[in-house]
Parts: sequence; structure tokens; C-alpha cells
Amino acid sequence: DAGVIQSPRHEVTEMGQEVTLRCKPISGHNSLFWYRQTMMRGLELLIYFNNNVPIDDSGMPEDRFSAKMPNASFSTLKIQPSEPRDSAVYFCASTFRSPGERGTGELFFGEGSRLTVL
Amino acid sequence: DAKTTQPPSMDCAEGRAANLPCNHSTISGNEYVYWYRQIHSQGPQYIIHGLKNNETNEMASLIITEDRKSSTLILPHATLRDTAVYYCIVRVEKTGANNLFFGTGTRLTVIP
Repeated sequence: DAGVIQSPRHEVTEMGQEVTLRCKPISGHNSLFWYRQTMMRGLELLIYFNNNVPIDDSGMPEDRFSAKMPNASFSTLKIQPSEPRDSAVYFCASTFRSPGERGTGELFFGEGSRLTVL
Repeated sequence: DAKTTQPPSMDCAEGRAANLPCNHSTISGNEYVYWYRQIHSQGPQYIIHGLKNNETNEMASLIITEDRKSSTLILPHATLRDTAVYYCIVRVEKTGANNLFFGTGTRLTVIP
């Protein structure tokens, strides 16, 4: 089975440019998470979707960050304009949640997108 | 929010059991304890989770104390491939969301 697929795996861009990261969750999963990982702050949850609807975006750093999930099989995380401090590894994860089910269960993570903003 | 405390690093001899402790003294009665690990340059990988009872799967065992204020992840026969950062997480439920907040974890090094 294909796992969570993220692209690009590596991105190097210049400050001010727009960056779009993509994620294809595991087929059948209805919850999708975007995390960011840096040496200083570790793994941080940015946003969480359930059934394509953003549930909690309190972790999104600022208005430069936006995330969409137009359908169950695709999500994007966009940074516009990008800044050097956005350099990090961005992870997408997915899982299946039953209505009313407590707990997060097992999150399946992608391999991550390593972003470097010069 | 329930917080977790883990030692920053541990070593374990190959073939021996690795026992990774975690303190979560502020855990609520209905909060689960999750363990994930992250091997270098890869995404985090789920290991196991539990609520009250001890749990075991093909990867590890999870021992939760009776008062639920601490837990131990046990890798029964550590291999070099188990070298990774291990995260102990207490799920926080917030306004209907189900989030996992990762701390700094324990860097386990399995020594040949």
C-alpha cells in the first residue's frame, strides 16, 4: 500500500517566493495533519483537517501560511511570501477517525518536505 | 494540557531490552498515552498507545503505572535499527480536534 505521499521532498527557494507543499493522504483516511519540524522547536502541529474541513489551525504561524484540502485525496500548504525562518521539514500525516471516536489513533506520516529559504 | 517529561538521551546494548521512561503526572483520566519514534530523516512512526492497561504489540510493550502518572516503553530486544528519537505523547483534546503534541523525546542509541 502506498503511504502518505509528499512533494517536493526538497525545496530551496529565495526569500519572498511562494512555496507550495503537497500531500496525498492514504486512501480511505479522513483526517489530515500538517506538522513542521525544526531543531529549535521540534515537531509542531500547524493545522488539522477532518473530512476535508479545517478543524484547528491555531498552530499556523501567521497569515503567510495557508492550507487547503479541496478533496479527500489532496492537501496543500502554501507559504507566501516565504522567509528564512520558515526553513524546516514539513510533515503531512493522515488517519481514519470514526465519528465520536476518542483518541487520535495511529497517525501515518509522510517522508516530509525539507524547505530551505535563502 | 498534559505534559510529558522524558530523558533527552539513552544508550542500550544491541540485543538487550531498552526501557524508555516517561512522566506525565498531569494526565487526565481519559487521556491516552502514545509512543512514536522518528528515525533520522524519516517521518515519525507510530509504535503503541494505551489508556490504563499494559499493552503489547509486535514492536514493543507499554507499561503504564496504576496512577497513570508515568509509563515505560519496552523494546524487548533492541537492534541497531531501533536507534531513533522516541516520543511519549499524551493526546490533548481541544475543541473537538484530536491533536498530538510532540515534545523533545528521548534519543535512543543502540550500541553494537
